[in-house]
Amino acid sequence: NAGVTQTPKFQVLKTGQSMTLQCAQDMNHEYMSWYRQDPGMGLRLIHYSVGAGITDQGEVPNGYNVSRSTTEDFPLRLLSAAPSQTSVYFCASSYSWTVNTEAFFGQGTRLTVV
Amino acid sequence: GESVGLHLPTLSVQEGDNSIINCAYSNSASDYFIWYKQESGKGPQFIIDIRSNMDKRQGQRVTVLLNKTVKHLSLQIAATQPGDSAVYFCAENFGTGANSKLTFGKGITLSVRP
Repeated sequence: NAGVTQTPKFQVLKTGQSMTLQCAQDMNHEYMSWYRQDPGMGLRLIHYSVGAGITDQGEVPNGYNVSRSTTEDFPLRLLSAAPSQTSVYFCASSYSWTVNTEAFFGQGTRLTVV
Repeated sequence: GESVGLHLPTLSVQEGDNSIINCAYSNSASDYFIWYKQESGKGPQFIIDIRSNMDKRQGQRVTVLLNKTVKHLSLQIAATQPGDSAVYFCAENFGTGANSKLTFGKGITLSVRP
């Protein structure tokens, strides 16, 4: 049981480049979300999904797109990377959006935009 | 690389002592609370949760206390060990169904002195 898997673990981008951060979970969880973590800022919600085909914006959605074509996968896309998007990104999943349960986190993707 | 613990409040305790980590949450309508532990270079890991209809919950070596009157959450760790050194986050959940969101505090660094 792999849990939540994020790839890549590290990435360096040039300003203006695009890329997709991958997230997959094998727990059949309905709820998936993306957070970014900056020093001294805690975790801030970027986008989330309550099930396949459904996504919504979190606290800091600008500059990011998501899609949820399957229950397992929830990729995060940066269309035109900016230095302000330098951060550590975490994907998380939870069993259900109808019942409060703990979120399981991936190991993170450390992104640097130069 | 830069640590997510930089610029966070730090609690320093002696090995073997009890630790108390405090958190003030923001929304009086929040109905579910979680404590997470994050070690360097890893994703947050669930420690313990509590629902708003409870004021205390105990786990192995950890106890969470909830005071809804003052919107305060605390995590008590008994007989603190070096392996407890990490950044600790409290998280609150409010909203229902598809509007349910988990919001994290900024985190506190726990440093255990040998």
